[in-house]
Amino acid sequence: DAGVTQSPTHLIKTRGQQVTLRCSPKSGHDTVSWYQQALGQGPQFIFQYYEEEERQRGNFPDRFSGHQFPNYSSELNVNALLLGDSALYLCASSWASSTGELFFGEGSRLTVL
Amino acid sequence: AQTVTQSQPEMSVQEAETVTLSCTYDTSESDYYLFWYKQPPSRQMILVIRQEAYKQQNATENRFSVNFQKAAKSFSLKISDSQLGDAAMYFCAYRRGNSGYALNFGKGTSLLVTP
Repeated sequence: DAGVTQSPTHLIKTRGQQVTLRCSPKSGHDTVSWYQQALGQGPQFIFQYYEEEERQRGNFPDRFSGHQFPNYSSELNVNALLLGDSALYLCASSWASSTGELFFGEGSRLTVL
Repeated sequence: AQTVTQSQPEMSVQEAETVTLSCTYDTSESDYYLFWYKQPPSRQMILVIRQEAYKQQNATENRFSVNFQKAAKSFSLKISDSQLGDAAMYFCAYRRGNSGYALNFGKGTSLLVTP
């Protein structure tokens, strides 16, 4: 049973560019959440997708957008990259009907130069 | 807004000994969940233990247990018989009962286990 998988594992971009990160949830899960983890910090909630719609959003600008596909996989898009967007981006999946346990992927490490 | 505070940036414990990691949180909600997650160098966050606020009994998972003091808004993690594999970042997290899946994390405690 594959867990949460994310791609790419590492990437380097320059300021002003755009990036797309991908996530496949754990088998059977229908809800995907994205978190940003800056170096030395705890993860910060970006948004959550369920039934292909954004259901909840944290305190992140509109440059951060996402998508969920019919197979429950998800993408995180960040436009107009800033140096401060450098972080580990974590995807987490769960069942919508569960009481809160999230299963995390290993993350995508984004470096913005 | 709910905040989670972990006041110990680093902790150290010898193998087979016991260590307690501290966490406090601030909320006005009555329905919520608390979690401890472990993040090893592999980066994958792994759930260690969870506690529902409405349950008075402290959660236990093998060598891991919590001391949940609801009135004091304290949620500490005790690791007994520490093993080298326990070395990792440990994050305390809070979730409102009806807030979907948005976890509020603390800044983490780095646990070092020495032989």
